Amino acid sequence: GAVVSQHPSRVICKSGTSVKIECRSLDFQATTMFWYRQFPKQSLMLMATSNEGSKATYEQGVEKDKFLINHASLTLSTLTVTSAHPEDSSFYICSANSAGGFSSTDTQYFGPGTRLTVL
Amino acid sequence: AQKVTQAQTEISVVEKEDVTLDCVYETRDTTYYLFWYKQPPSGELVFLIRRNSFDEQNEISGRYSWNFQKSTSSFNFTITASQVVDSAVYFCALSGPSYDKVIFGPGTSLSVIP
Repeated sequence: GAVVSQHPSRVICKSGTSVKIECRSLDFQATTMFWYRQFPKQSLMLMATSNEGSKATYEQGVEKDKFLINHASLTLSTLTVTSAHPEDSSFYICSANSAGGFSSTDTQYFGPGTRLTVL
Repeated sequence: AQKVTQAQTEISVVEKEDVTLDCVYETRDTTYYLFWYKQPPSGELVFLIRRNSFDEQNEISGRYSWNFQKSTSSFNFTITASQVVDSAVYFCALSGPSYDKVIFGPGTSLSVIP
């Protein structure tokens, strides 16, 4: 089946630094990718929708200047957390839709997540 | 607006008991998709099922079964003869008719006690 990878799986950084997280669709082209954030013991909250070749659409309350999203190709989207602070520590999960959208058997494919810890 | 409610925050059952996880959704779309995901302690989401709004047939897959009731906007999930390995957080989710974002419910944490 379709696979979405994320890199890195875990990252620890100092406050004030920037961190880049990659999301790749390994065996399909993804015109749309989504970024979610999950705080401990909470649900996944959508941060933004990333469309290949255009600007991302951010959900209300998500700072677009802090969470930079780039979807430069049909297989790669990146999320950069700029000037990270301890409150940005979270589990970040990406997902991708195939270029053809949902087929009768396919679904949205989720990456394994990236656990960010900001000291 | 779309919304998913999972009223049960935490459930504990003894191994081999049956357990039902409730899910109620709200949407104005006439075409939509419903999902269930399992999230074990590792964090990686495990896809369990997707249903579209036009298919109200109940589904059974091994020990898992799903009851989709459009009249009550519910999509409940039952695990029969629960096992310790079923311990995880389970999310019900909803998406619209196009290839768009998935809205997650708050999740139900299931603990199966040996």
